[in-house]
This record gives sequence, C-alpha cells and structure tokens, in this order.
Amino acid sequence: AQKITQTQPGMFVQEKEAVTLDCTYDTSDQSYGLFWYKQPSSGEMIFLIYQGSYDEQNATEGRYSLNFQKARKSANLVISASQLGDSAMYFCAMREGGGRRALTFGSGTRLQVQP
Amino acid sequence: DTGVSQDPRHKITKRGQNVTFRCDPISEHNRLYWYRQTLGQGPEFLTYFQNEAQLEKSRLLSDRFSAERPKGSFSTLEIQRTEQGDSAMYLCASSLVSGTGEQFFGPGTRLTVL
Repeated sequence: AQKITQTQPGMFVQEKEAVTLDCTYDTSDQSYGLFWYKQPSSGEMIFLIYQGSYDEQNATEGRYSLNFQKARKSANLVISASQLGDSAMYFCAMREGGGRRALTFGSGTRLQVQP
Repeated sequence: DTGVSQDPRHKITKRGQNVTFRCDPISEHNRLYWYRQTLGQGPEFLTYFQNEAQLEKSRLLSDRFSAERPKGSFSTLEIQRTEQGDSAMYLCASSLVSGTGEQFFGPGTRLTVL
C-alpha cells in the first residue's frame, strides 16, 4: 500500500484565492511526523510546514496551514491568498516512528496559479 | 548563512562509468540524507548518516552504490558501473538531531547516463 497518497496530479487556482492540496497517509505507528515541501521549476525542495502526530493544533506558517485529521489519516495543505510565485510542485511526506529518519514522499501535486 | 550545497549540479556519463557526487550540509546539522528523484515522482530515500555513522540504508541502495561521511561533515555518493536506470536527480538533505527534524535540501545533482 502507498504510504503517502496525493490524488491530485494538477491543480489550478486564481491569484488571491485559497487552495487545498490533498494528502492521505498510511502508518501503524502512533508517533510520526508529516511535512509539506514545495519544489519550484528550479528543482530545490523547500520545507513549508510540519505537523506532529501528537500535536493537537493544526500547524500554521504564514499563508500555509495544515488541516490535520488524524482519524481520517489526512494532512491537507491549505494555501491562502495564492500568489503567482506559488506555482510549483508540492509534496507531502511522512517520517514514521521507531527511530527512522527517512521521509517517504507522495507523487506530488502540480499547482498553477493563474492571474 | 549557507544552505546545503551539492557538486556537481549536472553530470553526464556513459554506461559503465563510475561517478561520485559530493554534498556539504548546513554546518551545524548532524544528520545527512541522500534521496533519488526521477521525473514526475517524489524523492525516494537512499541512506542517512548521523555524524559519520551510516544508520539507515534503503533497499534501493544496490551494491553499486556507496555513501560515505568520513569526518561527519561532507558526504560523497558513488555509483559504480552506471546504468541508464540510474539517470535521476540525486538530492542531499541535512537536519538537526533535535527539534522536529525537518530536512533542508540542496539543489541536487542531475545524472544522465547515456
């Protein structure tokens, strides 16, 4: 089974609107971490936001927020007030427990912000 | 404040040749990771170091691949007898031991095997 599933290969959003990028995950660990990264066309992976499995509050970082629904095993990224510079690939990733440090990434969602 | 750096940025080689990539992590980061990313996919974990110790290796890391971090600072990834299937972007990342452990990535080395 896929550990991280991103079901939206591509998304369009109008500038200044909000957009939600979906991510579901699969793990039997109680302790895990969820991450979102942005990869512009230049190729570099940029860390956006982190959510720990025990965090009771949804994580927020500026215009980014993570809608964490533990029972549904989903960790959707919400970008508010989209900007043209938000056009990029977005990857959801998970670090499972048990001392493992590796991140498992989904296949990504390509977001295009239209003026 | 310098981020993670990788060298070279691009490498073109012929099948059967050996190649070596270098990664310099953020200076205070103890952990260093290697990932491989093929077109249209997310990165796949290869291996990671804490200081000079290689603590985790993926099954993707075949016998032709070897990684080192001899002094706990920079790391090298060597691929011996390259195959066309090795063509990919090789990404290096580093992180602190403490905190949430978010990994900071370098710009990658794009390998093309002809």
